[in-house]
Amino acid sequence: GAGVSQTPSNKVTEKGKYVELRCDPISGHTALYWYRQSLGQGPEFLIYFQGTGAADDSGLPNDRFFAVRPEGSVSTLKIQRTERGDSAVYLCASSQTSGAIDTGELFFGEGSRLTVL
Amino acid sequence: KNEVEQSPQNLTAQEGEFITINCSYSVGISALHWLQQHPGGGIVSLFMLSSGKKKHGRLIATINIQEKHSSLHITASHPRDSAVYICAVDGGATNKLIFGTGTLLAVQP
Repeated sequence: GAGVSQTPSNKVTEKGKYVELRCDPISGHTALYWYRQSLGQGPEFLIYFQGTGAADDSGLPNDRFFAVRPEGSVSTLKIQRTERGDSAVYLCASSQTSGAIDTGELFFGEGSRLTVL
Repeated sequence: KNEVEQSPQNLTAQEGEFITINCSYSVGISALHWLQQHPGGGIVSLFMLSSGKKKHGRLIATINIQEKHSSLHITASHPRDSAVYICAVDGGATNKLIFGTGTLLAVQP
């Protein structure tokens, strides 16, 4: 597609439920990132993929959070046993390469707003 | 103290004014990003720079690696420039970014 696409744009769920958030990056971008932005805060890093593998998952807050990118394109962020504190906008971004100055420009999706009641 | 600090946090300007937003960071970096976020909207990359100066239209970004400081300038500001401007740094050429808390800019007609 022309840009990074995230679905759903809004998700309301109840505490304890399972949630999946999907990110479809720009075609050909090898690097894919998940960030989380809480209200009034700057985004915080969660995980990034280089191809199919998670190159760095140090930002995942706990083992309820998991992400996959099985074919090196679409990625799914999975949250088990959701808690009210998980409420945030989950941002996905992709780049042609992971950080090189000429090819590392990040392209962000519109985000998935998760509300846990 | 945050690793990335921006100033001011809030800025109100009149249309046509020259605007400067500052970013200071305390870690070694491979690149610095300036990003724009409209209310309720997604984030758009404005600049990615590792040295010197870049210019796109009315926007100019500069960085001083020795002083660990960057500035974003907007010339001839316009109400459509109203947004949150975010500085973010990459410590390891991975795009694993550390974000500042943003500067909320309002340009009044």
